[in-house]
Amino acid sequence: SQKIEQNSEALNIQEGKTATLTCNYTNYSPAYLQWYRQDPGRGPVFLLLIRENEKEKRKERLKVTFDTTLKQSLFHITASQPADSATYLCAFILTGGGNKLTFGTGTQLKVEL
Amino acid sequence: DGGITQSPKYLFRKEGQNVTLSCEQNLNHDAMYWYRQDPGQGLRLIYYSQIVNDFQKGDIAEGYSVSREKKESFPLTVTSAQKNPTAFYLCASTQGQDNSPLHFGNGTRLTVT
Repeated sequence: SQKIEQNSEALNIQEGKTATLTCNYTNYSPAYLQWYRQDPGRGPVFLLLIRENEKEKRKERLKVTFDTTLKQSLFHITASQPADSATYLCAFILTGGGNKLTFGTGTQLKVEL
Repeated sequence: DGGITQSPKYLFRKEGQNVTLSCEQNLNHDAMYWYRQDPGQGLRLIYYSQIVNDFQKGDIAEGYSVSREKKESFPLTVTSAQKNPTAFYLCASTQGQDNSPLHFGNGTRLTVT
């Protein structure tokens, strides 16, 4: 079955370092992948979309890569700040899924001073 | 100021009672969605609607019902048939194209005792 997987363990890093989060998928080749940020008790907020023919996408301190051979997307936050602490979710549409997004479980990022 | 409003933020009900969660959007979006989020699990799709007066079941529709009588509104009823109704419920909308990001409300936390 088609699956999307994110590391369930929290990622703790020091302020100023680069955070790298992973999203792996199996039994599927999505045409694009989206990344969201979710703060506690709030709804997810859209960050970036990357298409299968785009190897990399950037937005300010954020960078997303998409490796269709490895079936993996990496999400990087450079010069991380405590305000970047949140849960980050990846999502894509499954084959024949119409416009229904399937989400990973998310990875919690904690940026410490 | 456009967005999605979910109300109430917190809802408490006794087991055996039906309860309706409100979701209103002023983004003029065609498609609306309901997701459920439980600790350690990704967002799971309950129902979605791509146009007024039409809706489809998602992955976990049992015990839930919806209506889409107006473009702006997509209420979700959690019925007494839902075995584990206590959860964080998120409503979202999108323009409708298959790569459009979702705009989420800030959720309703339902507790059934």
